[in-house]
Amino acid sequence: DAKTTQPPSMDCAEGRAANLPCNHSTISGNEYVYWYRQIHSQGPQYIIHGLKNNETNEMASLIITEDRKSSTLILPHATLRDTAVYYCIVKSGGSNYKLTFGKGTLLTVNP
Amino acid sequence: EAGVAQSPRYKIIEKRQSVAFWCNPISGHATLYWYQQILGQGPKLLIQFQNNGVVDDSQLPKDRFSAERLKGVDSTLKIQPAKLEDSAVYLCASSLGGTGNQPQHFGDGTRLSIL
Repeated sequence: DAKTTQPPSMDCAEGRAANLPCNHSTISGNEYVYWYRQIHSQGPQYIIHGLKNNETNEMASLIITEDRKSSTLILPHATLRDTAVYYCIVKSGGSNYKLTFGKGTLLTVNP
Repeated sequence: EAGVAQSPRYKIIEKRQSVAFWCNPISGHATLYWYQQILGQGPKLLIQFQNNGVVDDSQLPKDRFSAERLKGVDSTLKIQPAKLEDSAVYLCASSLGGTGNQPQHFGDGTRLSIL
C-alpha cells in the first residue's frame, strides 16, 4: 500500500473550515483514499473515501488532486467535538484489504 | 443501524493469565477484523475473517493469540498467556465485504491492562 504523510498537529477555530492535508505520492491507480478519525477513548470513525473524484457527505468533503498524489479533507464548520486524530489511509481495491494506520494529524478545535 | 458491539469495555489481568474479548459486527457484514492499538500508535490489524474463514492472520502472534468466528457472525479473540506488552486497546471492525471500496466500521474496543 502507498504510504501517506500528514502533519502531526493542526489547530482550527470553532466555526471555521478545517482543511487537513495528506500526501500520497506513490498511490496506484486502483488505490482508494480513506479518512478516519479517532476521538479519545473511542474506536476510529469512518469519515469518507474516494478514488479519483471529489466526494462529499454529511460529515466532510474530500478533495483529491488531479494527479492523485495528495488530498485534503475539509470539515466545513468545525466544532469542539471535531477535536480528534485524523488518519489518511491509502487502500488497494483488491479483495483482501486492510487499513494500515499511520500516526495521523491531531486536530484541535479551539473556542 | 446498530454499530459494532464489543465487550468487555475494560479488563485488567495479571501477566500469564488468559483473557477473551467478544465482538458482534454490524448485521449483514461478512468481513470482520481485529486490530490492536498500543498507546500513542495507530491500530494494527491482527486478523481478518471473511464469513467464518480466515483471510489474513499474518500479524497475529499465534503462539499466544487465537481468534474464531464459528458461525460467521460473532467473534472472540483470546490471549493465553498474556504478556505485559499485550497492554493495548483491542478493536473489532466489520465491513459488508472485503473489497477496497467497502469502509470498515469500528467498535469502541476493549482496553486491556496487564499487571
